[in-house]
Amino acid sequence: AQKVTQAQTEISVVEKEDVTLDCVYETRDTTYYLFWYKQPPSGELVFLIRRNSFDEQNEISGRYSWNFQKSTSSFNFTITASQVVDSAVYFCALSEWSNSGYALNFGKGTSLLVTP
Amino acid sequence: GAGVSQSPSNKVTEKGKDVELRCDPISGHTALYWYRQSLGQGLEFLIYFQGNSAPDKSGLPSDRFSAERTGGSVSTLTIQRTQQEDSAVYLCASSFNPTGNVGYTFGSGTRLTVV
Repeated sequence: AQKVTQAQTEISVVEKEDVTLDCVYETRDTTYYLFWYKQPPSGELVFLIRRNSFDEQNEISGRYSWNFQKSTSSFNFTITASQVVDSAVYFCALSEWSNSGYALNFGKGTSLLVTP
Repeated sequence: GAGVSQSPSNKVTEKGKDVELRCDPISGHTALYWYRQSLGQGLEFLIYFQGNSAPDKSGLPSDRFSAERTGGSVSTLTIQRTQQEDSAVYLCASSFNPTGNVGYTFGSGTRLTVV
């Protein structure tokens, strides 16, 4: 069963628009971690944020903000005033303890294209 | 080293050949993970090492895949008798400890093409 669902496969916006990337997760654990990664065309996975299940505070980092809501099992990511350099594939991931350590369960990713 | 190093960065091999992929984690990182990224399957977890031990190998796609880690450092992922469906980018990540409350650092990956 898919543990992390990113329903938006592709999103295209014009520069300076705000865009929200959705992430819904599924777990029975009370302790877990949620992540967002960015994968630009170069291919490297770039860490953006980690949130633990006990901390529902929203976070803002520059143009990026994250909305964690346990009631809806969602961890959405908003880019304000998008820029061309934001074009990338964004992955949401869930980490929970198992025999595989804290392996990351990734969503399928959302491809964001920001055009000038 | 400063980051997670993977080699080779690119590998083209003929179907049926064996390949060995290497991951050199950040010094002191005890947890090491292998993932595979392919067009059809997205990012999938393969195997986890805590030190030199891999508690669960069920994530490996088939018995042609094996992995080891020696000295709590370098890890190798070996694919025997490669098939075209093995073509993917193989990513390695390491972490300071096995708990999820610290970050993972990913390498740049090895792009494997089986022809």
